[in-house]
Amino acid sequence: EAGVVQSPRYKIIEKKQPVAFWCNPISGHNTLYWYLQNLGQGPELLIRYENEEAVDDSQLPKDRFSAERLKGVDSTLKIQPAELGDSAVYLCASSLGVASQETQYFGPGTRLLVL
Amino acid sequence: AQSVTQLGSHVSVSEGALVLLRCNYSSSVPPYLFWYVQYPNQGLQLLLKYTSAATLVKGINGFEAEFKKSETSFHLTKPSAHMSDAAEYFCAVSRPGGSYIPTFGRGTSLIVHP
Repeated sequence: EAGVVQSPRYKIIEKKQPVAFWCNPISGHNTLYWYLQNLGQGPELLIRYENEEAVDDSQLPKDRFSAERLKGVDSTLKIQPAELGDSAVYLCASSLGVASQETQYFGPGTRLLVL
Repeated sequence: AQSVTQLGSHVSVSEGALVLLRCNYSSSVPPYLFWYVQYPNQGLQLLLKYTSAATLVKGINGFEAEFKKSETSFHLTKPSAHMSDAAEYFCAVSRPGGSYIPTFGRGTSLIVHP
């Protein structure tokens, strides 16, 4: 069974440029998560989708970050414009349901460096 | 609100020695607890989880953790470390009912010496 797929794996951009990350969850997983992981820290939730609906997006900086999951399958996270402080790893995860004991399956992440 | 504290950002052990990674939680209700492992340049993978059944939970790769309510702890152990265990380990806490997303700790880096 294929795991969570993310691309690109690495991205280097200059500040003020836009950037987009793509995630394809495990087939059949209705819930999709985007996390931010800073160096030496644990993942912090940015946004959670239940099918096409975005829920739990209180930590998403909406002035520059946006996300979509149009058909309830794959998802895109965008930053425009990027700032130096956005340099981090962006993790995507998926799970079958939304219950608090559900196992989340993580992708390998996209490592972003903003110069 | 719930939170976890992982004591020690780095733990160093010799191959074959006991592994002990500490996690203490704070929760207003009986929690669900998780341990995840992250190998270099990979995503997180679930090692084990406690969801109010047996307090001693066995996971993959020989790891286990014990839920101790009196100590608000969920420490991760393995009797004998292997070189392949070198990774970052994250403890996480959530709460029963509804769709509470786990809150992750800052992680502990396990270093295994030959």
